[in-house]
Amino acid sequence: DQQVKQNSPSLSVQEGRISILNCDYTNSMFDYFLWYKKYPAEGPTFLISISSIKDKNEDGRFTVFLNKSAKHLSLHIVPSQPGDSAVYFCAARRRNFGNEKLTFGTGTRLTIIP
Amino acid sequence: GAGVSQSPSNKVTEKGKDVELRCDPISGHTALYWYRQRLGQGLEFLIYFQGNSAPDKSGLPSDRFSAERTGESVSTLTIQRTQQEDSAVYLCASSWGQGASAEAFFGQGTRLTVV
Repeated sequence: DQQVKQNSPSLSVQEGRISILNCDYTNSMFDYFLWYKKYPAEGPTFLISISSIKDKNEDGRFTVFLNKSAKHLSLHIVPSQPGDSAVYFCAARRRNFGNEKLTFGTGTRLTIIP
Repeated sequence: GAGVSQSPSNKVTEKGKDVELRCDPISGHTALYWYRQRLGQGLEFLIYFQGNSAPDKSGLPSDRFSAERTGESVSTLTIQRTQQEDSAVYLCASSWGQGASAEAFFGQGTRLTVV
């Protein structure tokens, strides 16, 4: 049962344009969401997070939007840069329920075209 | 070091042999996770340790897999009688744990190849 879904396995975006990566979840108990970025042969690195009490969190070029009613979150990267080419994973947890196991999506490979 | 450290970085083993993978979390992190990533697939949860609580073993794929953690430090993931389908990158992560900053920090992973 895939509780966190990233339905687009890959995405190509022109350099300088906006990249939008999407993530859907099914467990309404999730209350904290994170995005990770992974380069080949490296472990995932934390990018940005959002609590369920917010609908937007911004950090530089990265913005995460949360739509709780739709159980959907998205990561916007603008402007996209070649170094953003990586696999992006969204993750969710039930932070306030005593079990902080992170549940990951299957990832979206982002390619920025120079 | 300041980050999560995993060893070995690469391991090639023969089918049927046992392997042990090691993870040194960030000092002070009470939560520790093991995940694996098979080729072309996402991150698959294996096991989660949080302080002195009973570990969440719900992701372990079979009884050939086990993991231990000594207090709030080193963890070892053991795979007995390895099979070719066990080939994957095994990732360890740690975080401050319950009620605190939620992001987990990952190690570089151990690439396991079963031949």
